[in-house]
Amino acid sequence: DGGITQSPKYLFRKEGQNVTLSCEQNLNHDAMYWYRQDPGQGLRLIYYSQIVNDFQKGDIAEGYSVSREKKESFPLTVTSAQKNPTAFYLCASSLGGFGDTEAFFGQGTRLTVV
Amino acid sequence: EDKVVQSPLSLVVHEGDTVTLNCSYEVTNFRSLLWYKQEKKAPTFLFMLTSSGIEKKSGRLSSILDKKELFSILNITATQTGDSAVYLCAPTSGTYKYIFGTGTRLKVLA
Repeated sequence: DGGITQSPKYLFRKEGQNVTLSCEQNLNHDAMYWYRQDPGQGLRLIYYSQIVNDFQKGDIAEGYSVSREKKESFPLTVTSAQKNPTAFYLCASSLGGFGDTEAFFGQGTRLTVV
Repeated sequence: EDKVVQSPLSLVVHEGDTVTLNCSYEVTNFRSLLWYKQEKKAPTFLFMLTSSGIEKKSGRLSSILDKKELFSILNITATQTGDSAVYLCAPTSGTYKYIFGTGTRLKVLA
């Protein structure tokens, strides 16, 4: 089945540690995105990538880093510089086309700092 | 700066009621507007609207876009408890960005 797989579903991190969230898609989509969702809030864009080896900062990129070495993979690293990392993280992908196709979402990773 | 405002923020209705959810936006290089339903984790796609005045329908759900007044509405008729969710609207810009609103939390009581 085609889709987007995020792992792990739940992640606990100690303060000062970097952690990496995985996102893999087999939809052959060019564009991939990372969003953060806090309770009672909408989705805020962290990073997005239109094509392999290229990515752009979103609205809240500080304290995060990404890579796009393969079309199907777009991992997100939450660094120790992110002051409030506890949140629900969603990865998405789209065929591309400048916003005229829908984005498909993974099931999310809930990150908790302990 | 791109801006999306959804209203109301939350809504409680009884089964069988009709609800109207609103989404207003200001987006540079607007391309389309998408509606999503989020129940637990992953948002699921409902509609994509690109032209004004053309209503999209799927069962009890329908949506329409007004590109002149920069808003969209999502209607749900004969609501059911399974409609309880957060409904998100997301206008898109010409830079591959989906810009999400804060969502409307709908609760349908039996």
